[in-house]
Amino acid sequence: DAKTTQPPSMDCAEGRAANLPCNHSTISGNEYVYWYRQIHSQGPQYIIHGLKNNETNEMASLIITEDRKSSTLILPHATLRDTAVYYCIVRVEDSNYQLIWGAGTKLIIKP
Amino acid sequence: SAVISQKPSRDICQRGTSLTIQCQVDSQVTMMFWYRQQPGQSLTLIATANQGSEATYESGFVIDKFPISRPNLTFSTLTVSNMSPEDSSIYLCSVERGQAFYGYTFGSGTRLTVV
Repeated sequence: DAKTTQPPSMDCAEGRAANLPCNHSTISGNEYVYWYRQIHSQGPQYIIHGLKNNETNEMASLIITEDRKSSTLILPHATLRDTAVYYCIVRVEDSNYQLIWGAGTKLIIKP
Repeated sequence: SAVISQKPSRDICQRGTSLTIQCQVDSQVTMMFWYRQQPGQSLTLIATANQGSEATYESGFVIDKFPISRPNLTFSTLTVSNMSPEDSSIYLCSVERGQAFYGYTFGSGTRLTVV
């Protein structure tokens, strides 16, 4: 079973910030939180990852709560091309670094 | 990060036949991963392929059905054998992005339809 829970779908207006939540209440101290997205008919694309500090890159920001039981992916200025399924994943340390994929959040950016 | 070329990108196959999917990476990688994504579903790991050793299969997947080759550090194949319509899925290969803590890169996938 996936170790994360996400809302099944979200809408966001183009140009606004998209905030995607993820709960991972059973996360272990040495497990990282990864975010990927999958645009229709393409392979998943890495977005960002973090352990306990907030992270930012050219694509997004990742905010992890102090207790590490939840996180939020922020797309600061969403465009129509950001419409995709977004997956929040906790990396399993002891299984060849296997990723356990949940159902993800279908993010729809509306003009 | 690594760039993956996966082919074919799609195929329509008759039941009972087999299809071999190829995954070529532009750099040497230790582990390669094969996933299945059934229609409307999330990704499920089929197996992990290390060069020079037998692939490690996840629960529910067996070597006779999904034989994997890993002849060198840049190439792997996954065969879907004796196909049935239930095998209709997207099959994806994946490699580490550079270091194990930096996530994974995925190929564009092979969309398989079995009729």
